[in-house]
Amino acid sequence: DGGITQSPKYLFRKEGQNVTLSCEQNLNHDAMYWYRQDPGQGLRLIYYSQIVNDFQKGDIAEGYSVSREKKESFPLTVTSAQKNPTAFYLCASSIYPGLNNEQFFGPGTRLTVL
Amino acid sequence: SQELEQSPQSLIVQEGKNLTINCTSSKTLYGLYWYKQKYGEGLIFLMMLQKGGEEKSHEKITAKLDEKKQQSSLHITASQPSHAGIYLCGADGGATNKLIFGTGTLLAVQP
Repeated sequence: DGGITQSPKYLFRKEGQNVTLSCEQNLNHDAMYWYRQDPGQGLRLIYYSQIVNDFQKGDIAEGYSVSREKKESFPLTVTSAQKNPTAFYLCASSIYPGLNNEQFFGPGTRLTVL
Repeated sequence: SQELEQSPQSLIVQEGKNLTINCTSSKTLYGLYWYKQKYGEGLIFLMMLQKGGEEKSHEKITAKLDEKKQQSSLHITASQPSHAGIYLCGADGGATNKLIFGTGTLLAVQP
């Protein structure tokens, strides 16, 4: 079955530790995205990648880093510089960047920093 | 920057009742997406609207994009408990496929 997987579903970390969230897709999509969801604020774009080995900052990139070494993988690292990392993180992909392309979403990872 | 406002923020309806959720944009919409989300899960694509006046339906859910392309409505006919969840509208933010999302509408359907 084609789709997007995120792991783990739940993640707990101590304050000050970096943590990496996994996102894998087997849809052969060029574009991939990371969003953060907080209660009452909808989804906000962290980073996106339109092609392998290239990525761009979204609206709230500070404290996060990404890599796109393979087409199917787009891991997100939440660094200790991120002031409020506790949130629900969603990964998405689309067949190619540009207008009018549906984004497919993964099941999400809930990160809690203690 | 473009902003999307959804109304109402939350809604409780009796099973079988009709309901409407609105999404209003601060700028012209070039592509409007509707997604549904169960709490703690990913987003499920419902529909995409592009042209002013366009209307699409899937089962008991109908979405419209007004002629001026600054507002969209999502209408559910004869609601069922399976319709419960968070409905989010998203819009193309410009030249790249950067989606801007509304804050969501939480729908509860009472049996």
